[in-house]
Amino acid sequence: KAGVTQTPRYLIKTRGQQVTLSCSPISGHRSVSWYQQTPGQGLQFLFEYFSETQRNKGNFPGRFSGRQFSNSRSEMNVSTLELGDSALYLCASSNEDRDPNTEAFFGQGTRLTVV
Amino acid sequence: SQQGEEDPQALSIQEGENATMNCSYKTSINNLQWYRQNSGRGLVHLILIRSNEREKHSGRLRVTLDTSKKSSSLLITASRAADTASYFCATDAGANAGGTSYGKLTFGQGTILTVHP
Repeated sequence: KAGVTQTPRYLIKTRGQQVTLSCSPISGHRSVSWYQQTPGQGLQFLFEYFSETQRNKGNFPGRFSGRQFSNSRSEMNVSTLELGDSALYLCASSNEDRDPNTEAFFGQGTRLTVV
Repeated sequence: SQQGEEDPQALSIQEGENATMNCSYKTSINNLQWYRQNSGRGLVHLILIRSNEREKHSGRLRVTLDTSKKSSSLLITASRAADTASYFCATDAGANAGGTSYGKLTFGQGTILTVHP
């Protein structure tokens, strides 16, 4: 069974640009969550999607957005990039709709550097 | 914001020794999960313990959960150099937090474990 796949693995962008990151969940998983990891703030929850609907959102500005497609693949977008957006962005999938006590499986992450 | 704290922040031991990491959290939980992260890569799931469980084992891993103290510990026995990584606890509030918990894990700051050969 293939794991969670995130693309691209590495990105370098300039301040003010926008970026789109992609996440393909484990087959059959309908819940996809996104996290930002930085040395200062640690792992912070961005948002969660289930069946193409955003069910939960963390405390991030509106520049951070996402969506989910009918095949459960998800994308997140960050507009008007700031230096502070440099981070490792992690995606996780789970089948919590079938079992609320189920683990989340993470991808390898996308390392975003804003210069 | 982080759910709680992990202790110690860093741990350095010799191969063959046991490593114990502690995690405290603040709110009611549905379950608590432990993850490992190697050098800024993805998180690898280690073990999940439900709120009604007190202890769980998986190979060389032993996890305890004390909901009255809102704390958990991860014990790695007979450590190996390959266990060198950062270890995170993460809590799932589940139904305790209603809709605000969907898909959300709240992580501690992590413990950096170094196992010397």
